[in-house]
Amino acid sequence: DTEVTQTPKHLVMGMTNKKSLKCEQHMGHRAMYWYKQKAKKPPELMFVYSYEKLSINESVPSRFSPECPNSSLLNLHLHALQPEDSALYLCASSQEAGGGREQYFGPGTRLTVT
Amino acid sequence: GQNIDQPTEMTATEGAIVQINCTYQTSGFNGLFWYQQHAGEAPTFLSYNVLDGLEEKGRFSSFLSRSKGYSYLLLKELQMKDSASYLCAGGFMNTGFQKLVFGTGTRLLVSP
Repeated sequence: DTEVTQTPKHLVMGMTNKKSLKCEQHMGHRAMYWYKQKAKKPPELMFVYSYEKLSINESVPSRFSPECPNSSLLNLHLHALQPEDSALYLCASSQEAGGGREQYFGPGTRLTVT
Repeated sequence: GQNIDQPTEMTATEGAIVQINCTYQTSGFNGLFWYQQHAGEAPTFLSYNVLDGLEEKGRFSSFLSRSKGYSYLLLKELQMKDSASYLCAGGFMNTGFQKLVFGTGTRLLVSP
């Protein structure tokens, strides 16, 4: 099973709302990632978790708050977003966060901020 | 920097062979990944090269030259379903953790 699941598939939120994106994997992977992908652009790394600890934060604004409750789950809490934050948010996982590990992506959450 | 460069768009005919090139800056480089992404879907892993040479997986092969900072993805016996974006991604180490830096993607259009 190489499946990463994400919920919701689509999300529309206002700039004053608080919402959360969820990601789950049951492959026993110990590294999980959040990426942001704008239309016709490549995915851009936001956060890396390794063994449930935040290991890389790519200078992401604090209105995005990641959380890794356990090794299978990864959340992204959203608050006071801007319209330019509208994008596809992809979660990925890999066996570990070291070199040479391929990442498996979930289907993404398409976020629209109004 | 960790720039990854690849052509924006390519076209090919069903049954043909196409080669998608990718160049990258070598500083901190740890390996080269290729992903396929259909419109509106998540990227799916195709191949990984860490050593120089050719890796073959069915109709898809990937090549790496570390000294030249160059890779290519070779797709044989093209099928219509191969129409997608192909993302070249460099693995770069950052404080002991691997970051994937993606190129802009090459949109491949396969015609009958």
